[in-house]
Amino acid sequence: DGGITQSPKYLFRKEGQNVTLSCEQNLNHDAMYWYRQDPGQGLRLIYYSQIVNDFQKGDIAEGYSVSREKKESFPLTVTSAQKNPTAFYLCASSIPAGGMTEAFFGQGTRLTVV
Amino acid sequence: AQSVTQLGSHVSVSEGALVLLRCNYSSSVPPYLFWYVQYPNQGLQLLLKYTSAATLVKGINGFEAEFKKSETSFHLTKPSAHMSDAAEYFCAVSPTGGGNKLTFGTGTQLKVEL
Repeated sequence: DGGITQSPKYLFRKEGQNVTLSCEQNLNHDAMYWYRQDPGQGLRLIYYSQIVNDFQKGDIAEGYSVSREKKESFPLTVTSAQKNPTAFYLCASSIPAGGMTEAFFGQGTRLTVV
Repeated sequence: AQSVTQLGSHVSVSEGALVLLRCNYSSSVPPYLFWYVQYPNQGLQLLLKYTSAATLVKGINGFEAEFKKSETSFHLTKPSAHMSDAAEYFCAVSPTGGGNKLTFGTGTQLKVEL
């Protein structure tokens, strides 16, 4: 079955550590996205990529980094510079079609700082 | 910049009653609009989308939404609520011709009571 796989489902990070969240898709979508979800704030865009080897900052990119070496993969690293990383992180993908196609979402990774 | 506003962070209805979740958009041109549903600790699932083909859009699980340009609204409705409809609902907007970056509202938590 086609879809988006995020791993792990739960992740715990100590203060000062970098952690990497995995996102893999087999939908053959060119575009991929990372969103952060906090209670009462909806989803906010961290980074997005429209094509392999290219990505752009979203609205809240500070303290995060990404890479897009393969079409199928778009890992997100939460660095120690992110001061409040505890959140639910969602990866999505879509066919770039001028905005009219929907995004498909993974099941999310819940990151907690301990 | 485009945005969406969801009025009411929490809505409670009785089982069998009408569901009405409100979404207003702000955009200089008619955008593409989406409604997503999220169950606890899950990703987002598309309910329906407006892409200018028809102003009344029917989606999954008996939901529908009507695009009203004069009111800049895209409210989500369902004639008869079911217990399984209890979830969080997000309205999102995407610019026409400007890529697929979705901007989300802050969400509405729907509670269905017996």
